[in-house]
Amino acid sequence: DTAVSQTPKYLVTQMGNDKSIKCEQNLGHDTMYWYKQDSKKFLKIMFSYNNKELIINETVPNRFSPKSPDKAHLNLHINSLELGDSAVYFCASSQNLAGGPRGETQYFGPGTRLLVL
Amino acid sequence: QKEVEQNSGPLSVPEGAIASLNCTYSDRVSQSFFWYRQYSGKSPELIMSIYSNGDKEDGRFTAQLNKASQYVSLLIRDSQPSDSATYLCAAARGANAGKSTFGDGTTLTVKP
Repeated sequence: DTAVSQTPKYLVTQMGNDKSIKCEQNLGHDTMYWYKQDSKKFLKIMFSYNNKELIINETVPNRFSPKSPDKAHLNLHINSLELGDSAVYFCASSQNLAGGPRGETQYFGPGTRLLVL
Repeated sequence: QKEVEQNSGPLSVPEGAIASLNCTYSDRVSQSFFWYRQYSGKSPELIMSIYSNGDKEDGRFTAQLNKASQYVSLLIRDSQPSDSATYLCAAARGANAGKSTFGDGTTLTVKP
């Protein structure tokens, strides 16, 4: 039973295309996240939703649009893909905002490896 | 200067030794610090969090924080080959690990 799942696992596409990545968690968590990890292993938060509401929106191009239809799902749509978008995109979830005195732990999905040609 | 700096490694230690991973951060307002472990081709896993100066121990892992020196470390005692991974240090202004700034990671290899 996968706690945090993402589809697709691999995505190879041409520049200029529009693509979506889906994420689902079955942990009953309230908060979900999207991260981008580039080829140098640099991990950066992109977005976070808590109970379907956007709470973290880092400086990312507006070609990236997250959508949370319910608190178990957080999808990422990317318009007009560029070469620099090639990376691994990780979805994660936590019961509440991760970290903090209660030590909330984030659980990461397996990642979606996006390659833009 | 990067907000969170780590030695990229690779760091190689023999099995049974203590592995010491270091991290410095530039944002003095940072309050929360996290260590993640990431096996090759896998997703990150949060293994330690620390908020106060001093040491925090969890099994073979000890996190150390010195806010005056803006320094965080992770010690792994009795290192095992299964500890071989990339370790990511992260710092956050608030308590939210999801709002963290990450370092580039240190690759650790534990040799049998």
